[in-house]
Amino acid sequence: DTGVSQDPRHKITKRGQNVTFRCDPISEHNRLYWYRQTLGQGPEFLTYFQNEAQLEKSRLLSDRFSAERPKGSFSTLEIQRTEQGDSAMYLCASSKDGGSTDTQYFGPGTRLTVL
Amino acid sequence: AQTVTQSQPEMSVQEAETVTLSCTYDTSENNYYLFWYKQPPSRQMILVIRQEAYKQQNATENRFSVNFQKAAKSFSLKISDSQLGDTAMYFCAFMKQGGDDMRFGAGTRLTVKP
Repeated sequence: DTGVSQDPRHKITKRGQNVTFRCDPISEHNRLYWYRQTLGQGPEFLTYFQNEAQLEKSRLLSDRFSAERPKGSFSTLEIQRTEQGDSAMYLCASSKDGGSTDTQYFGPGTRLTVL
Repeated sequence: AQTVTQSQPEMSVQEAETVTLSCTYDTSENNYYLFWYKQPPSRQMILVIRQEAYKQQNATENRFSVNFQKAAKSFSLKISDSQLGDTAMYFCAFMKQGGDDMRFGAGTRLTVKP
């Protein structure tokens, strides 16, 4: 059994460029979450999917951010026209609907640096 | 809105001793879950322990135990027999029943000293 995986682990980009991150959840998990974590802070919720449906989005998710989960398996998070303030760790988590306490299991994260 | 507060930004403990990390939260929900996650330096976040709000009995996992006080909205983590590998950021988190977004505290950086 593999855990949640994320790719890439690190991304350095120039301001104004677009970036896309991928998350592969634990195989039987139907819920998938995206969080953002800045240095020294706890993760902040961005959005979540149940299967392929995006059910909730935080106000942190500006119109430059878009997330998809087209087949209810892996998910992508795209940031368009990146800004220096987007520099953070982007975490993905998954859980099983109806599972024990809906516990979320986290991936290793993608660290984004915008120059 | 739910908020989670961890009032201890940093703590340290000697190896083999016991340490308690504090967490308080604010919610109007009656059914919810509380979690402690551990994030070692440059490594991914892993679940330490979880507590269902409807359970009066405090959760325990080996050397880790919680003191859940629902009326006081307090959820502290006790680590017994601290080990060097316990050095990490510890995050307290709240999630209402139904499994949508989880709210995290700002974290407590724990250092276990040899």
